Amino acid sequence: GAVVSQHPSWVICKSGTSVKIECRSLDFQATTMFWYRQFPKQSLMLMATSNEGSKATYEQGVEKDKFLINHASLTLSTLTVTSAHPEDSSFYICSARVEGGGSPLHFGNGTRLTVT
Amino acid sequence: AQSVAQPEDQVNVAEGNPLTVKCTYSVSGNPYLFWYVQYPNRGLQFLLKYITGDNLVKGSYGFEAEFNKSQTSFHLKKPSALVSDSALYFCAVRDSGGGADGLTFGKGTHLIIQP
Repeated sequence: GAVVSQHPSWVICKSGTSVKIECRSLDFQATTMFWYRQFPKQSLMLMATSNEGSKATYEQGVEKDKFLINHASLTLSTLTVTSAHPEDSSFYICSARVEGGGSPLHFGNGTRLTVT
Repeated sequence: AQSVAQPEDQVNVAEGNPLTVKCTYSVSGNPYLFWYVQYPNRGLQFLLKYITGDNLVKGSYGFEAEFNKSQTSFHLKKPSALVSDSALYFCAVRDSGGGADGLTFGKGTHLIIQP
C-alpha cells in the first residue's frame, strides 16, 4: 500500500516554456504532499509543502511564481515549472504521507527535467 | 532547526561482510528517524523508522538501525551485505514536537558492495 505515482518520469523542454509534473497518491488520501529537488550527487532539498485546498508553503529561497503548486484534491498535487531555464534542469521528487506524524513519507519515482 | 549528518560520502564493503552506514541528527524535541534507499533515477524507498520504543528497529531487506539517544545517532546496519544493496542511502529526521512537516535529509551515503 501507500503508492505515490509521479508523471512524467522524464521531460525535455525548450527554454521559456512551462512544464507540469503530477503527483498522485494511488491508494490513500494525502492532505499534505511535499516537493523535493535533487541535484546530481546531492541530497534532497525540500522546495515546498503542498496543502490540499490551500496555498502551498514554500521554503526560503524557492520562487513561488516560478514553481507553481496546486493541490486540488486529496490525491493529486501538481508542480508547474514556469518559463523554464537550463538552471531549472534537475530531478524533482514528490512525496506524501499517510496521516500521522510518525508515518514515513512515500515517494514518487521522480521526474528528470532537462531544459534546453 | 533540525539537521542530519551522514559523515561518509561512500562506504565500500565486501559481499558477505557486515555493513554500517552512519547517521547523526539534531532536533529540539524527540526525533522521528528514517532511512531511505535510492536507486539511480528513481525515487526513495522507505527502509525503516524509529518513532519510540525499542532502540533496535528492523526494516526491509534485512536492514536494521539502532537509535542511540546519548550519541544522537541512528546508524544503519546489515549483518551480511549483498551486491544488490549497492545504492544511495539517506537518513532523515523530523521533530516529533511539530514544526517542519517535511523530513530533513542527510546528504546521502553511496554504499558499494564489492563481489
